[in-house]
Amino acid sequence: NAGVTQTPKFQVLKTGQSMTLQCAQDMNHNSMYWYRQDPGMGLRLIYYSASEGTTDKGEVPNGYNVSRLNKREFSLRLESAAPSQTSVYFCASSDERENYEQYFGPGTRLTVT
Amino acid sequence: KQEVTQIPAALSVPEGENLVLNCSFTDSAIYNLQWFRQDPGKGLTSLLLIQSSQREQTSGRLNASLDKSSGRSTLYIAASQPGDSATYLCAVSSSGTYKYIFGTGTRLKVLA
Repeated sequence: NAGVTQTPKFQVLKTGQSMTLQCAQDMNHNSMYWYRQDPGMGLRLIYYSASEGTTDKGEVPNGYNVSRLNKREFSLRLESAAPSQTSVYFCASSDERENYEQYFGPGTRLTVT
Repeated sequence: KQEVTQIPAALSVPEGENLVLNCSFTDSAIYNLQWFRQDPGKGLTSLLLIQSSQREQTSGRLNASLDKSSGRSTLYIAASQPGDSATYLCAVSSSGTYKYIFGTGTRLKVLA
């Protein structure tokens, strides 16, 4: 079991460029999440997907879009990157069968110049 | 709106000491509370999950307690070791949602 995987590990973008962060889990979990982690701010929820085919906004959704491609995959898209989106992005998954215990991926470190 | 606070932000202790990390939350209507460990530059590793109906959970040298009425959880680490040095985060999910709210963490350093 690989658990939760994320690609890429590192990315540098120029302001205005777009990119998609990929996340996949092999634990057959229904729920998946995208967080960003900034110094002094902790982890903040960007978007989540309670189940395949559904997505909902979290605390800080502006500037992002998501796609729940199938049960395994949940992608995060930055359409026009801004320096304020420089952060470390984490994907996580959970499931009711495991009392919604969250499992995290290794993260993507994104720098927007 | 649920808010989660962890105090202190940083803590240094000598090896072998027993220690307690604190997590406070403002809304007692929670579904569960999860403690994580994060090493520098790494992802989060789940340590313990406490459901709202439980009072505590134990794993090895770790014991987490939950007091919903006072809005508090503590993570007790027995006989601390330098390898326990990391940032410890707690996260709370409110009843009826799948969403977690995180505290900003306590950065622990255990000195050899």
